[in-house]
This record gives sequence, structure tokens and C-alpha cells, in this order.
Amino acid sequence: QKEVEQDPGPLSVPEGAIVSLNCTYSNSAFQYFMWYRQYSRKGPELLMYTYSSGNKEDGRFTAQVDKSSKYISLFIRDSQPSDSATYLCAMNRDDKIIFGKGTRLHILP
Amino acid sequence: DAGVIQSPRHEVTEMGQEVTLRCKPISGHDYLFWYRQTMMRGLELLIYFNNNVPIDDSGMPEDRFSAKMPNASFSTLKIQPSEPRDSAVYFCASSLAGLINEQFFGPGTRLTVL
Repeated sequence: QKEVEQDPGPLSVPEGAIVSLNCTYSNSAFQYFMWYRQYSRKGPELLMYTYSSGNKEDGRFTAQVDKSSKYISLFIRDSQPSDSATYLCAMNRDDKIIFGKGTRLHILP
Repeated sequence: DAGVIQSPRHEVTEMGQEVTLRCKPISGHDYLFWYRQTMMRGLELLIYFNNNVPIDDSGMPEDRFSAKMPNASFSTLKIQPSEPRDSAVYFCASSLAGLINEQFFGPGTRLTVL
């Protein structure tokens, strides 16, 4: 079993919809959880970062962590065509950082 | 600041040749990271430096890979000899204070080994 699992998609949703992106992990040692966004042929950029279980909100984005289920989510409200990108979850343990393979998201105008 | 700068942006080489990728981190960032991204394996951390000193190179796939950081503003990732399976996008990133601190990625070098 891989340490971090992420559905590669692609996920296509109409503009204005709520998007839910998810990752599962197997190692309870992970402490910090991050979401990066990567546009085509660009480097990833940090969207959100959280430590504890629960929700963290930043504008249209909400990051959710459930450590008991080893499950993290990123919600995007009022999705826009400019949100079309690949979203990578990332987790940190023991001075390591492990990325999910990313989910490709298409927002349809 | 111009952000993280990588060169070349594209590299096509033949199997067996030496490849050198270059990176200039954001000024003032103490940490520098080298990553490799492929469709099969996703984004993988190869090695990272703190204040020019290598901290963890456990992600370096083989002895054919080596990385150096001779000063705070320059790092290289070298592959010698290169193999077709090394074809990937190689990213350099830098941060102020470590792995969980926000990492700023460069545009990447797309390497193709024929």
C-alpha cells in the first residue's frame, strides 16, 4: 500500500460547482498536511497548510483533515475556470515530505 | 525577486551523456530542494540542503545522481551517465525554514534522454 493515495482524475465539473478533492494516507506519523496547485507546465504552488484535525478556510478554499480516518480533503466553492489545474496533496513526517500524484481538475465554463 | 530560476528549461540528450541542471534559489531562503516529477511516480523529493549543506539525500535514486550547493545562490543536479528512465521534469524549490514551510518552486527542467 502506498503511503499517500490520490485519485488522478480527471475530474470535470461545471463552473460554480463545489469541488471535493481527497487523499488518503496509511502512516499515522504524518503531522503536517498541505495542498499544492500546479498549472500545466509550471511548478507547484502552496495553497493551504494545516496541522490539526478539523477544517481550515481561506477564501473559497477549505482544507479538512481527519486523522482518525487518515483522510484529507480540499473543497473549492464557487469553482472558476481559473481553478483548472492539478492539485497535489502533500504530507510531512520525520523530515520527509510525500506528495500524492495529483488530481487533474477541469472547470467547465 | 525573480523567484526560483532554473536552467535549462528543456534538455534533450542521448543515453550515456552527462546532464547538469542548475538552480538559483530565492535570495534569503536557507533551504533548497530538488524534485523529480513523472506520470508514473508523481513528485518525488530527491535531496535537500540547509545553508548549503545536504541534509537528506535518501531520495536520490542511484549513484549516477549527485547534487551540490557551492554557495547560497547556486545549486546543481548532475546525472552521469544519463539513461532513458531519467526522463522527467526536475524541479528546484526553496523555502525560508524547511520542509513544511512554504516551498517556492521554479519552472522546472524538462529532461528527455533518448
